[in-house]
Parts: sequence; structure tokens; C-alpha cells
Amino acid sequence: DAKTTQPDSMESTEGETVHLPCSHATISGNEYIYWYRQVPLQGPEYVTHGLQQNTTNSMAFLAIASDRKSSTLILPHVSLRDAAVYHCILRASNYGNEKITFGAGTKLTIKP
Amino acid sequence: GPKVLQIPSHQIIDMGQMVTLNCDPVSNHLYFYWYKQILGQQMEFLVNFYNGKVMEKSKLFKDQFSVERPDGSYFTLKIQPTALEDSAVYFCASSLKGAPLFGEGTRLSVL
Repeated sequence: DAKTTQPDSMESTEGETVHLPCSHATISGNEYIYWYRQVPLQGPEYVTHGLQQNTTNSMAFLAIASDRKSSTLILPHVSLRDAAVYHCILRASNYGNEKITFGAGTKLTIKP
Repeated sequence: GPKVLQIPSHQIIDMGQMVTLNCDPVSNHLYFYWYKQILGQQMEFLVNFYNGKVMEKSKLFKDQFSVERPDGSYFTLKIQPTALEDSAVYFCASSLKGAPLFGEGTRLSVL
């Protein structure tokens, strides 16, 4: 029951800005958009989340379309450490009673 | 920053034995989760836990699995008895509100 669609893989070069797209055409009004990333042999790392407004933090900028049917995670000036699988996830609540369901995500490769 | 700690990082046991995986969540967190990831595959939800009770469990959470948080300290996942297909990395997560914070996982090898 995948609710989000992401490209299987993307490639970029160190120093560039990366735009990771996510499509969620059937998103419900109460669903938050979460982004996590995972490198091999490590636990998933929270990146950011949003409901309707664009959000920004030290890791990334999350751009949410006005109709909320898609979003883009923007990673400025990527380094080799940003290579990971990035997961776009819908979550029905911002509270712990709602689990995080992972899909396959987008594998981001960074070239030196 | 706050961290979820998982002990041990790697455990090797014989099929049929019991194993307990330990998770030390962030101290003020109230919601706890276990996930399973087989090498090269997606992370799969097992169970979440709040106020001493299982809130939701997936089909992967077999009858041989149990969770508890005795004494309000470690959050544990017990598998009894273990099977070969239980070999995987098990991730614990905890949250108060907002994004769950994940540990680094325990790699379980069932021989």
C-alpha cells in the first residue's frame, strides 16, 4: 500500500544542490510528509517533515506543492556524507501513536 | 543530542534458542518501536508500544515475539524460539511527539 512514489536512484556531484522528488497524489488532509535517510549498516536518520508549509532546517529544505500532491527535498551543497537512501513517508499523525512505514526510497549517489 | 542505544550490536545464537534484544530509549520518550531489516531489503515495521501495551503489530510480529519495558528502563524484544528467518538487523526507535529517533540496530544471526 505504497502511498508515495520516488525515483529508485539519483546521482549528483559534491557541492551541487540536489532535488529529491516525491509524489503523493492521494495524501489525506491530516497526513504529514516525513523524510528520513539511511546509510548502510546504520539506523534511519530523521531529516525533516512538514504538513503544508515549506520547512527548512540545518540539513535540508522541504518544498511542498500547494495542492500537497508532491514534495521535493532539497539538499544544498551536498558532500559524500549525504550519500544515502532517502525515504519520503506519509504519517497520519505527528504523534507516536502512528508508525513510520518505509518504502524503497531513492538511493542518492554522490560523486567526488 | 539524545540517542537511542541498542545492546548488543551483534548477537549470534543457535536456532531454537531464546534471544532478548535490548533498547535504551531516550529518557523522556513514551512511544517505542521495533523494526526488522534483512540485508539489502526494506525496513519493515514490527510493533509499537505505549504505556505498557502493544498498540499495533504487523504480520511479521509472530507469536514467538514479545515486547516489554520492565522497570521503565530497557525496551526489549524477545524471540522464543528463534528461527533461521529471524536473522536480520533489528532497529529500535522511540519518540515523544514528532519524529521517532532510531538506534543503530542489533544484527541478529541465527545459525
